[in-house]
Amino acid sequence: NAGVTQTPKFQVLKTGQSMTLQCAQDMNHNSMYWYRQDPGMGLRLIYYSASEGTTDKGEVPNGYNVSRLNKREFSLRLESAAPSQTSVYFCASTQREGGSPLHFGNGTRLTVT
Amino acid sequence: AQKITQTQPGMFVQEKEAVTLDCTYDTSDQSYGLFWYKQPSSGEMIFLIYQGSYDEQNATEGRYSLNFQKARKSANLVISASQLGDSAMYFCAMREPFLYSGGGADGLTFGKGTHLIIQP
Repeated sequence: NAGVTQTPKFQVLKTGQSMTLQCAQDMNHNSMYWYRQDPGMGLRLIYYSASEGTTDKGEVPNGYNVSRLNKREFSLRLESAAPSQTSVYFCASTQREGGSPLHFGNGTRLTVT
Repeated sequence: AQKITQTQPGMFVQEKEAVTLDCTYDTSDQSYGLFWYKQPSSGEMIFLIYQGSYDEQNATEGRYSLNFQKARKSANLVISASQLGDSAMYFCAMREPFLYSGGGADGLTFGKGTHLIIQP
């Protein structure tokens, strides 16, 4: 059972470089999310997609863009990376029904120097 | 104001003791859900337990139970008979409808977490 798959696991970028974090889920979930986790801050929502073809901003969207490529895939793009974007990034998905939990990928550890 | 407050940044507990991890929340919605996740040092997020705001019984899942006090807006996680493998970060999270401007995504809002260490 793959669940939610994120790539890459680790990445180091220089300030100003761009990159795309990939996420795919095989649970036929409608909703997908991107969170970032910083020490002492818990997880904060960057962007979400309630269904295929829709995306919207969460709590901390600045500096990021997303694409819901199809029902399975939801990518996060950093156009011009900044040191403040050094973080662990989690992708998650859910069926959006009542007590359905979010299922998380294993995370991407990104360092921007 | 924080939506989810976890007041214990860190806790040390002896193995086999019961543990209570505190969580208070802030919402004006009548319909909401509360979740607890465990994050071991390996980094993955593991779902533990869920409580709906209309659920009359406290949720239980094996050694995990949720002490839900709606009037106090608290949803404390109780781990019975703690084990060394319970050492991890624990996050309380809340789902509210129409949390963000786009509406309807039911994203979770997380607390800052409690770092639990079980000592032998």
